[in-house]
Amino acid sequence: ETGVTQTPRHLVMGMTNKKSLKCEQHLGHNAMYWYKQSAKKPLELMFVYNFKEQTENNSVPSRFSPECPNSSHLFLHLHTLQPEDSALYLCASSQEEGRLGTSGRLSTGELFFGEGSRLTVL
Amino acid sequence: SQELEQSPQSLIVQEGKNLTINCTSSKTLYGLYWYKQKYGEGLIFLMMLQKGGEEKSHEKITAKLDEKKQQSSLHITASQPSHAGIYLCGADIKLKGEYGNKLVFGAGTILRVKS
Repeated sequence: ETGVTQTPRHLVMGMTNKKSLKCEQHLGHNAMYWYKQSAKKPLELMFVYNFKEQTENNSVPSRFSPECPNSSHLFLHLHTLQPEDSALYLCASSQEEGRLGTSGRLSTGELFFGEGSRLTVL
Repeated sequence: SQELEQSPQSLIVQEGKNLTINCTSSKTLYGLYWYKQKYGEGLIFLMMLQKGGEEKSHEKITAKLDEKKQQSSLHITASQPSHAGIYLCGADIKLKGEYGNKLVFGAGTILRVKS
């Protein structure tokens, strides 16, 4: 138990469906992340929210739409997905996002991951 | 090409044997992380290295950071079936702008331990 909960754990959807993935953390963290994990590929960073503001959109197609209503919750809204979008979607949180500044570097630090949502697009 | 390369991609070892997994970055590292993942589950943090030459151990797992070579190694001594899983390295790398960094991951090394 890492303190990060993802629902649903498994989701099967057609290409015309609209669904959402939910992530919740009660660790008091200020940064939340969505990663995509496909077979034999590196984890792909999709979105980062730091203090509820989106700070990273890693060229993700618009059929994925993130929402962060507060520091504890993160959603990934899905619509008109493609079969190649089938993957394990992992949510993570950290104290805050790493930032390099003139005063020195601040590493991201430990990420706390949820168990993931296994998405299958038919 | 990937920013972090891990080798080997997969590994099968006999219980009790030692093994090493390597992670090499194509960019300057500002923090190197090792995580372990069981299939289909989330990642569990193992350790973080920040300074060149730094070495950390947790039970029978030791990780080292060679900042000059931009690489890290993870060494498991006397492997056990409980060590089986996917080991991923992650690293903070500098973004193009003056501020900000990004945490990226390697593709992972699948470890199987035979009893």
